Amino acid sequence: AQSVAQPEDQVNVAEGNPLTVKCTYSVSGNPYLFWYVQYPNRGLQFLLKYITGDNLVKGSYGFEAEFNKSQTSFHLKKPSALVSDSALYFCAVRDSNTGFQKLVFGTGTRLLVSP
Amino acid sequence: DVKVTQSSRYLVKRTGEKVFLECVQDMDHENMFWYRQDPGLGLRLIYFSYDVKMKEKGDIPEGYSVSREKKERFSLILESASTNQTSMYLCASTSAGSGTYEQYFGPGTRLTVT
Repeated sequence: AQSVAQPEDQVNVAEGNPLTVKCTYSVSGNPYLFWYVQYPNRGLQFLLKYITGDNLVKGSYGFEAEFNKSQTSFHLKKPSALVSDSALYFCAVRDSNTGFQKLVFGTGTRLLVSP
Repeated sequence: DVKVTQSSRYLVKRTGEKVFLECVQDMDHENMFWYRQDPGLGLRLIYFSYDVKMKEKGDIPEGYSVSREKKERFSLILESASTNQTSMYLCASTSAGSGTYEQYFGPGTRLTVT
């Protein structure tokens, strides 16, 4: 079965420092990978996705993610964190076991950026 | 831009009540999904629909049912609400033809069952 793991419940970083939010995946077939962000009391917003092509994917709000097939990882990164990046981040993978466009989500990582 | 709306942002219901949560999308998407979000558990799929009147169970369908009478509208029904259904409920939609699996989410409904 397809799955993603987000090993950190919370990541703390100071404003201006680089940030990394980790995600590892387990899939059969080619992975379609996603990152979403959720601000307080809001729905999820799409940040970026990897389907094929360059291993470094650029997305919204200055975020990027690096696909690493050998390590089965898809870590979210940003060179310089902002306080406004504080939110809940979800990694997701396509569920390729069905013909429907289902996603399987991780448990989420809370990012806290301190001033 | 895709817009997914949900009928209520906050809802308080009593145990045993029948509860309707509604979701509407304006992009003619074929696929619609209902998730519940709980701390430490992430998003769990309750039901999804790939066409009008068609539905499939997700990972946690017990205690829930759904209805899709029109393409743009997908309703989640709690037949007899219980306190363990207190949660954040998120609706999402995606185009079957896009091939990219990207889902668009509504703002969520925070349901409290007392």
